[in-house]
Amino acid sequence: GQNIDQPTEMTATEGAIVQINCTYQTSGFNGLFWYQQHAGEAPTFLSYNVLDGLEEKGRFSSFLSRSKGYSYLLLKELQMKDSASYLCAAAYGGATNKLIFGTGTLLAVQP
Amino acid sequence: ETGVTQSPTHLIKTRGQQVTLRCSSQSGHNTVSWYQQALGQGPQFIFQYYREEENGRGNFPPRFSGLQFPNYSSELNVNALELDDSALYLCASSLDRGNNQPQHFGDGTRLSIL
Repeated sequence: GQNIDQPTEMTATEGAIVQINCTYQTSGFNGLFWYQQHAGEAPTFLSYNVLDGLEEKGRFSSFLSRSKGYSYLLLKELQMKDSASYLCAAAYGGATNKLIFGTGTLLAVQP
Repeated sequence: ETGVTQSPTHLIKTRGQQVTLRCSSQSGHNTVSWYQQALGQGPQFIFQYYREEENGRGNFPPRFSGLQFPNYSSELNVNALELDDSALYLCASSLDRGNNQPQHFGDGTRLSIL
């Protein structure tokens, strides 16, 4: 299978840092995407990792370890608008850009 | 630059009916993927179209079918609708079919089956 596992819910405080973890099956794996989805809206692209290591984009960073089948999304200086579902998606299968999504982590940012 | 657009926004159908959902890809994108997202779940891959040909399919029955047109817009057709087909249907386009290409999503069509 190609199960993607991530926590269902997380809560954090405005201004803090939060790390959302994701594990995936390594067989046939090509790359790892993170998307943000606000309630009732489309997922929006946040980051892509294909090599091991950390990719930083402003307040958001994403990390990948291919050998461990593990990724995390790090959100710094949390703002209320960061309250959303964060979807981890692994790309498999060569010429087909097929994404397998986790169920999403619902992040609630509190004042 | 126009993003991915989907129509209609909402749709209500009854069991056994057929439905067609439409998607216009982002300018310059030749690959369109369709996903089904049930409430509280992540999107599930239905199929992908690349230059008018099906380029991969998920675990969905044949009553889910699609098309891609020369301008790279796409349709998703579902026949013999079932109650479990109630979901948000998302279309995503990408610059090419390669695995390093981020997929950009439209706002989706919310389909309700009564």
